[in-house]
Amino acid sequence: ETGVTQSPTHLIKTRGQQVTLRCSSQSGHNTVSWYQQALGQGPQFIFQYYREEENGRGNFPPRFSGLQFPNYSSELNVNALELDDSALYLCASSQYSGRARVQFFGPGTRLTVL
Amino acid sequence: AQSVTQLDSQVPVFEEAPVELRCNYSSSVSVYLFWYVQYPNQGLQLLLKYLSGSTLVESINGFEAEFNKSQTSFHLRKPSVHISDTAEYFCAVSLLIGGGADGLTFGKGTHLIIQP
Repeated sequence: ETGVTQSPTHLIKTRGQQVTLRCSSQSGHNTVSWYQQALGQGPQFIFQYYREEENGRGNFPPRFSGLQFPNYSSELNVNALELDDSALYLCASSQYSGRARVQFFGPGTRLTVL
Repeated sequence: AQSVTQLDSQVPVFEEAPVELRCNYSSSVSVYLFWYVQYPNQGLQLLLKYLSGSTLVESINGFEAEFNKSQTSFHLRKPSVHISDTAEYFCAVSLLIGGGADGLTFGKGTHLIIQP
């Protein structure tokens, strides 16, 4: 069984640029969630995708957007990067079965904005 | 809205001693509770979960947590820690409302430091 994978591992961008991060779900999972973890903090929920639709969002502006593909993989796009966007971005996959989803995390993408 | 409080940002403990990492949550509805562990420069690994049933849940590596609804707590315990338990531990809560999103709300984490 393949776990959650993310690419790239590290990324350096400059302020104002755009970035795309990628995530492959664990086999059999149909839901993907994205989190931002600033240094020394707990992860914060960005949004969740289920059946290729965004079905919930945390307190993040619209310049954070995403996609989910038919194979349940996902992308996180961030436009107009700001210095505060520097963080570890975590993807988690889960399987919705009518009760709580148990989320399994990937290793993350470390984004540095200069 | 729910929130999670981890009362200790750092807990130093000697090897083979017991440890308790505290977690309290606030929510007006039923919740599901989780503990995740994060080793340096890695993602989060699921340690324990409480979804329903027995309020005492155990992991394969000796950790346990007890859901206490009246005190809105989900403290993590281990009777004897090992050097390899040094890591950041996060408590998290999720709600499942209908078929909507259930993003996790995390505490700020507790850094468990095992001293030889």
